[in-house]
Amino acid sequence: GAGVSQTPSNKVTEKGKYVELRCDPISGHTALYWYRQSLGQGPEFLIYFQGTGAADDSGLPNDRFFAVRPEGSVSTLKIQRTERGDSAVYLCASSLKSGANVLTFGAGSRLTVL
Amino acid sequence: EDQVTQSPEALRLQEGESSSLNCSYTVSGLRGLFWYRQDPGKGPEFLFTLYSAGEEKEKERLKATLTKKESFLHITAPKPEDSATYLCAVNPNSGYALNFGKGTSLLVTP
Repeated sequence: GAGVSQTPSNKVTEKGKYVELRCDPISGHTALYWYRQSLGQGPEFLIYFQGTGAADDSGLPNDRFFAVRPEGSVSTLKIQRTERGDSAVYLCASSLKSGANVLTFGAGSRLTVL
Repeated sequence: EDQVTQSPEALRLQEGESSSLNCSYTVSGLRGLFWYRQDPGKGPEFLFTLYSAGEEKEKERLKATLTKKESFLHITAPKPEDSATYLCAVNPNSGYALNFGKGTSLLVTP
């Protein structure tokens, strides 16, 4: 596609529920990143994929967070047993390759945990 | 530990009033420094990449410069449409992710 597409744009859920957020990167981009942005803060790195594999998942806050990219294109961020502190905008970005390359961001998925 | 500090947190300018935003960084080897613009409700939009000290890049009313310890985003004769949050990020040699600062929220009034 022309840009990075993220769905849903908004998600409201209850504490303890399971949530999936989807990212469709720019066609041909092999690197994919997930970030989390809280109000008034800069984006915080979560995980980075090169192709199908998670090359760096050091930013995932705990084992409730998991992400997959089974075919090297679309990625899904999965959050189990959501907590109110998980409320944030989850941003996805892709780049042509890894390294000091330009990341193109999607508009984000705003998650609200009640 | 890699750190990115942006100042000021917020800046209000009159239209036409030039100013500079600062990004100080500490990183164990810099692969690149990035500036992004973010409008409310949208993802960050790429502006510039700088790779080495002394490098400068320009785009319309914006000019980015880089030293070994900091980067400046100079805004010349800003217009209200320049109002946004400006984010600085570093890509260290040790990894592939960008480490972002908290951003500077810029408001340009007519």
